[in-house]
Amino acid sequence: NAGVTQTPKFQVLKTGQSMTLQCAQDMNHNSMYWYRQDPGMGLRLIYYSASEGTTDKGEVPNGYNVSRLNKREFSLRLESAAPSQTSVYFCASSEEVNTEAFFGQGTRLTVV
Amino acid sequence: AQSVTQLDSHVSVSEGTPVLLRCNYSSSYSPSLFWYVQHPNKGLQLLLKYTSAATLVKGINGFEAEFKKSETSFHLTKPSAHMSDAAEYFCVVSDYSGGGADGLTFGKGTHLIIQP
Repeated sequence: NAGVTQTPKFQVLKTGQSMTLQCAQDMNHNSMYWYRQDPGMGLRLIYYSASEGTTDKGEVPNGYNVSRLNKREFSLRLESAAPSQTSVYFCASSEEVNTEAFFGQGTRLTVV
Repeated sequence: AQSVTQLDSHVSVSEGTPVLLRCNYSSSYSPSLFWYVQHPNKGLQLLLKYTSAATLVKGINGFEAEFKKSETSFHLTKPSAHMSDAAEYFCVVSDYSGGGADGLTFGKGTHLIIQP
């Protein structure tokens, strides 16, 4: 019963470094999402993929790119990390875009 | 466009007393509404959902919420708080129209504190 799996769980980057956050779901869901969570801000949508082969910007897409590799996997890439990207990142999936979402355990990213 | 306002950033109640977490939403379409809970350093877990069926929705762990269209509210309640209910709670709206960056929109969260 894996659900949504994110890797890594923790990461420290230096300013300017790049990295990719991986996400995979085993529920055969069509839609996948990347959110960031900052204190007092709730969760804000970075990018989402309504279905395999499509991606769309969310509320805070600047500085990020995504790839929907296949139906199971949706990765988030930081090309040149900045301290403002220090956050907890959550991947989620849902059967369709307006249905309940299931979340991974999160990736705590620190950019120094 | 859709939005969610959680009216209280912190709520403190005594164990065994009722819980009320307030949520108002704005939506251009017929929304789906959700409550999620996040325990410290954990992911988010779905408590309950409203998707245009019964307006009173029952969820896990004794929580329930009532959809009131006239008041654009979806408040979360529980008759008797337990220490294990201490967590962050998020009200979420979805009215995906297929045309933009909607999907799920989260409120800023309500931190529920349970006093012994």
